[in-house]
Amino acid sequence: EDQVTQSPEALRLQEGESSSLNCSYTVSGLRGLFWYRQDPGKGPEFLFTLYSAGEEKEKERLKATLTKKESFLHITAPKPEDSATYLCAVQERSSNTGKLIFGQGTTLQVKP
Amino acid sequence: DTAVSQTPKYLVTQMGNDKSIKCEQNLGHDTMYWYKQDSKKFLKIMFSYNNKELIINETVPNRFSPKSPDKAHLNLHINSLELGDSAVYFCASSGPINTAGHHSYEQYFGPGTRLTVT
Repeated sequence: EDQVTQSPEALRLQEGESSSLNCSYTVSGLRGLFWYRQDPGKGPEFLFTLYSAGEEKEKERLKATLTKKESFLHITAPKPEDSATYLCAVQERSSNTGKLIFGQGTTLQVKP
Repeated sequence: DTAVSQTPKYLVTQMGNDKSIKCEQNLGHDTMYWYKQDSKKFLKIMFSYNNKELIINETVPNRFSPKSPDKAHLNLHINSLELGDSAVYFCASSGPINTAGHHSYEQYFGPGTRLTVT
């Protein structure tokens, strides 16, 4: 059964303190791995899609990487405005429906 | 310009009532989805329509019935509401993406509808 597990559940950082969020996945074949950001009271906001092991994508202070079993979201010198819940999701290769299987998210709090 | 919109934003109702949530997207996407997010923030797919055809129908009580009048709209009707239906419901849409030979479906979410059943 396809599964996505994110760790840690919650992370508190001081402003400027770099760290990484983990997303471990089990899927029979990966079509894509997606990272989303969700602010309180809002819908998930699309960040990245990764397709194959070794791929990396960057956006401002965020960098997402992918291996065959997990993905990392690296946050470099975070600012308080990076505080949010970060969601990881996978799409199975055999699926033509676009179905996403989500992890439970990592809630990041960055203190000034 | 709002890409994916939902109404209402908040919905408070009593057990046993019937209610509907509406979703509209102006992204030109062919596929739309309904997700439920529980109190632990876990997002789970409920339904999906592609060009008005139901393509995903997860294990959801048959009190929930989606309807897609056209590919830009997807509504969710819930009959006989129960306390356990309280959650945030998100609509999303996607179109096929082909990037350097990779074919995927990037989904864009609406702002959510917080349903509270008392």
